[in-house]
Amino acid sequence: DIQMTQSPSSVSASVGDRVTITCRASQGISGSLTWYQQKPGKAPKLLIYAASSLQSGVPSRFSGSGSGTDFTLSISSLQPEDFATYYCQQANSFPLTFGGGTKVEIK
Amino acid sequence: EVQLVESGGGLVQPGGSLRLSCAASGLTFSSYWMSWVRQAPGKGLEWVAIINQDATGEFYVDSVKGRFTISRDNAKNSVYLQMTSLRAEDTAVYYCATYSTRSGWLDPWGQGTLVTVSS
Repeated sequence: DIQMTQSPSSVSASVGDRVTITCRASQGISGSLTWYQQKPGKAPKLLIYAASSLQSGVPSRFSGSGSGTDFTLSISSLQPEDFATYYCQQANSFPLTFGGGTKVEIK
Repeated sequence: EVQLVESGGGLVQPGGSLRLSCAASGLTFSSYWMSWVRQAPGKGLEWVAIINQDATGEFYVDSVKGRFTISRDNAKNSVYLQMTSLRAEDTAVYYCATYSTRSGWLDPWGQGTLVTVSS
C-alpha cells in the first residue's frame, strides 16, 4: 500500500498569510494526487486534482504542485473561510490512501 | 445538482451487522464508480471500498476485507455497504462518494452516516 505523509499536522496562521502544506508518497505516484478541504461536521470538498488542476469554483488562491513522491498545496493569501483541515489522497493504485491531514488554525 | 444521501447508520453491538445505503440523484449513476470512505471521531479520512460501474470489480482496504461487502443497484441509483462482524474500531462517520477513474478524485460526497459499535 502507498503511504501518504502530510506535514505539518497543524499550522497557525493569520488572515493574509501564505500557507504551504506538503504531502509525500511512499512510492512514486506520478501526478495522481488530490487535495480536499474539510470543515468540522462537513464532508470533504474537492480542491485540486491531478496534483495541480484547480476544481471548478475553487478560488485561485489555492494551488497545487508536484509529481512523483513530493507534492504541495499552497494558499496564497489565507481567508477566514480557509480555516479547515486539508487532506491529500493518492489515486495511483488501490487501496486509495489519504494523508493524515493538516489543520489550519487561526493565529 | 448531484446529490448523495447516506442512510442506515446507528448503534450496533460488537460482532453485529449493519447495512448502509447511499442514494444518488442528479447524475447518470450507472456511469460512475462509487466508493465508501470513513472517518473515526476526531480522526482522519480512511478509504474503505469501491465498486465499478457494472459491479464486476470491487476493492477493499485490508482492515475490512472479508467483513464488508460493497454492492450497487443501478436501477435504484444506489450503492450499499454491508458490514458484518463489526468492531469498536469500525465506529466512524461513513461517507459515500463518486470516483473519477480519469482524474482519481472522490467528488461529490454525501453528508455521511454515523456508525457506532459499542455494547
